[in-house]
Amino acid sequence: GEDVEQSLFLSVREGDSSVINCTYTDSSSTYLYWYKQEPGAGLQLLTYIFSNMDMKQDQRLTVLLNKKDKHLSLRIADTQTGDSAIYFCAGVRGSQGNLIFGKGTKLSVKP
Amino acid sequence: KAGVTQTPRYLIKTRGQQVTLSCSPISGHRSVSWYQQTPGQGLQFLFEYFSETQRNKGNFPGRFSGRQFSNSRSEMNVSTLELGDSALYLCASSAGTGLGNEQFFGPGTRLTVL
Repeated sequence: GEDVEQSLFLSVREGDSSVINCTYTDSSSTYLYWYKQEPGAGLQLLTYIFSNMDMKQDQRLTVLLNKKDKHLSLRIADTQTGDSAIYFCAGVRGSQGNLIFGKGTKLSVKP
Repeated sequence: KAGVTQTPRYLIKTRGQQVTLSCSPISGHRSVSWYQQTPGQGLQFLFEYFSETQRNKGNFPGRFSGRQFSNSRSEMNVSTLELGDSALYLCASSAGTGLGNEQFFGPGTRLTVL
């Protein structure tokens, strides 16, 4: 089954780039997702990548996928204080579509 | 379009009681999934309903149950509450079921068991 691992904390300065890393175990995961959770709120889908892609860019967000190492990363360019949140990496178990989440990385952005 | 709504937002119960949480999906969405979020275990999948049928179930005891109505609204029930059931319960809706269907999350119901 799928298992997803993330580092728990990341601290950056405003204007710097943030890179949040994730590793997953199930090489058959077809979709890999990044969600953002702000305090007191639900999860917001930021972006996702198909397993047959190496990279996806969406404005300030860049997702890199290394299938050989089962490593996924999310890069946020020009990080702002409003980006402070918990970021979850998620894979999909089997064909049924339920999400398997990592424990989340808390991103703190210092002015 | 209105987003996913969950009621109530906050709930306090005592051990042994039961609780029912409600989720209204985005209009037109037919799939509703439930997740439990705790500091220790993170986000864990509870179950998914599609067209009033449970399609998929996570690894939770039988005290956790759910249902979906013909208008796609869903409820989950937890009986004989335990302290460890204290969590944020998140509901997500999607247009369909299975791979490739983006899930939109509600704000969650924060359950505290005393």
